[in-house]
Amino acid sequence: AQSVTQPDIHITVSEGASLELRCNYSYGATPYLFWYVQSPGQGLQLLLKYFSGDTLVQGIKGFEAEFKRSQSSFNLRKPSVHWSDAAEYFCAVASRGGFQKLVFGTGTRLLVSP
Amino acid sequence: KAGVTQTPRYLIKTRGQQVTLSCSPISGHRSVSWYQQTPGQGLQFLFEYFSETQRNKGNFPGRFSGRQFSNSRSEMNVSTLELGDSALYLCASSATSSGAGETQYFGPGTRLLVL
Repeated sequence: AQSVTQPDIHITVSEGASLELRCNYSYGATPYLFWYVQSPGQGLQLLLKYFSGDTLVQGIKGFEAEFKRSQSSFNLRKPSVHWSDAAEYFCAVASRGGFQKLVFGTGTRLLVSP
Repeated sequence: KAGVTQTPRYLIKTRGQQVTLSCSPISGHRSVSWYQQTPGQGLQFLFEYFSETQRNKGNFPGRFSGRQFSNSRSEMNVSTLELGDSALYLCASSATSSGAGETQYFGPGTRLLVL
């Protein structure tokens, strides 16, 4: 069965420190990969997505993610976290060749300490 | 360009009632998907519509239904509400029929509380 695992439920990072959020997926073939962010009371905003090609993907707000096929991972990184980055982050996948259907991980809540 | 809008934003219903939620996609977008978000189950796909046709459906009971109109606006309906239906219902739209890789743009959601 298709699944997405985000092993960290909560992460606390000091402002200015680097960030890495983990995401692993289980699929028959490499799916499309996405990272979304959700601020309290808001919908989801797309940070970045991976389709093919360069395994290091740049996104908005200074985020990047690296696809590693051998590890079935798509980890999200940011070199310097800002207080406004505090939110919940979701990794999601979609099957190639299928219609619109995102399968989401359980999310990681990021707390930023001063 | 205006984003995805959902109405109402908040809703309180009692068990056994039915509810209809509305979603207006970004202008020009023809695909609309619905997701349910709960603390226990997380984000789960409900269904997707394109050109008034349901193309994909998640694993939800038949009490959950939807439709799409010719102007791409979509509604979802939940009949015979249960306490477990309390959730944030998110609508997302995308531009074309190119499939799973198309970027989905999410609305702010409708928060439903069932008492």
